[in-house]
Amino acid sequence: GAVVSQHPSWVICKSGTSVKIECRSLDFQATTMFWYRQFPKQSLMLMATSNEGSKATYEQGVEKDKFLINHASLTLSTLTVTSAHPEDSSFYICSARDPWGVYREATNEQFFGPGTRLTVL
Amino acid sequence: GEDVEQSLFLSVREGDSSVINCTYTDSSSTYLYWYKQEPGAGLQLLTYIFSNMDMKQDQRLTVLLNKKDKHLSLRIADTQTGDSAIYFCAEDILGFQKLVFGTGTRLLVSP
Repeated sequence: GAVVSQHPSWVICKSGTSVKIECRSLDFQATTMFWYRQFPKQSLMLMATSNEGSKATYEQGVEKDKFLINHASLTLSTLTVTSAHPEDSSFYICSARDPWGVYREATNEQFFGPGTRLTVL
Repeated sequence: GEDVEQSLFLSVREGDSSVINCTYTDSSSTYLYWYKQEPGAGLQLLTYIFSNMDMKQDQRLTVLLNKKDKHLSLRIADTQTGDSAIYFCAEDILGFQKLVFGTGTRLLVSP
């Protein structure tokens, strides 16, 4: 239970193109999903909090026009990296909360996807 | 402020105990978590502790929390080569509904 998937698992694109990454909660409904970015040998940095049916809340320093987040349903959030550049190359990880406690052990537990490795040439 | 620090690297022999330490600065956390990340993968929740607890044991894992010193530790008993991974502590910031992760500790278990 509490499975979160991401698609694609890896993507290589040319500089200037846009890339969409999907995050799905497979067996529970998630009103809130989170997007993280992880550079090699570093920790996860929260980019934004995605709430179903409303605008995402971005962390300080994250460009909302560059990293477009859509959370149109209770099981799907997407992150679109627009006009990607080599410095956007990173490991992007999403997570989802299970607000109704179907699978949660602890209040506010987040379930993480396997990550998407983006390489921009 | 939100600053969570961990030592970068720990090397142990198979069968030994491993202790991974974490210090945090925000005292408003309700839960503190330990996650495991294997190469190229997402995060797996190992265990958590509620902020009003001092200790929690879960099979080979023991979590100790010293709220006064804002210090959290994870002890892995009888460490196995499969435990080799990066371990992150994280605190759930009350009111902000978000996790702040530590810098990560790379655990290497040698046979």
